[in-house]
Amino acid sequence: DTEVTQTPKHLVMGMTNKKSLKCEQHMGHRAMYWYKQKAKKPPELMFVYSYEKLSINESVPSRFSPECPNSSLLNLHLHALQPEDSALYLCASSQGGQTSNQPQHFGDGTRLSIL
Amino acid sequence: AQSVSQHNHHVILSEAASLELGCNYSYGGTVNLFWYVQYPGQHLQLLLKYFSGDPLVKGIKGFEAEFIKSKFSFNLRKPSVQWSDTAEYFCAVNARSNTGKLIFGQGTTLQVKP
Repeated sequence: DTEVTQTPKHLVMGMTNKKSLKCEQHMGHRAMYWYKQKAKKPPELMFVYSYEKLSINESVPSRFSPECPNSSLLNLHLHALQPEDSALYLCASSQGGQTSNQPQHFGDGTRLSIL
Repeated sequence: AQSVSQHNHHVILSEAASLELGCNYSYGGTVNLFWYVQYPGQHLQLLLKYFSGDPLVKGIKGFEAEFIKSKFSFNLRKPSVQWSDTAEYFCAVNARSNTGKLIFGQGTTLQVKP
């Protein structure tokens, strides 16, 4: 089992809905990440938080809004998504901050379907 | 810009066969290198990593990888595969100067026949 917990595991939403994805880790990691993974493709980085501050935004559309309420939690708020946003959304964390040479630990992901 | 290339997209082997998966990256500076595995229905797991030191690194489940700086390569090997090694394998790189940004290769699907 992974030590990075993501909820929900599956989410189906309409294009006008607002929903949130949640990620939690209790390993004391200070860097947390959101990735998007389409079927048969590698994960693509969306956002990086280091010490609860947003440090990387990979030009992600504003319909995705990340939030890091504390060092253990990472949210991804979704609003007015498009069908092409259907994908597996992965959360990861790593020890220390963004600049530390530590591997990332991944959650199981949330499989998102946009109707 | 950084990029990672995995040469084999789909590999089919019989049990006990040897495995080598190729990975090349493009970046002129110092990098950290990783191999991740994704078993069917499971999360990405770290197989092994290279930061510095001995270029031959050993990971979990009998996997090893060799960093060849002159060839910008980090190939994954296993002397004898098992049916349970059936999975998706991703090579990943981040630049030492920006370690938050992990770039993945396209992945290799390994199918091991019993």
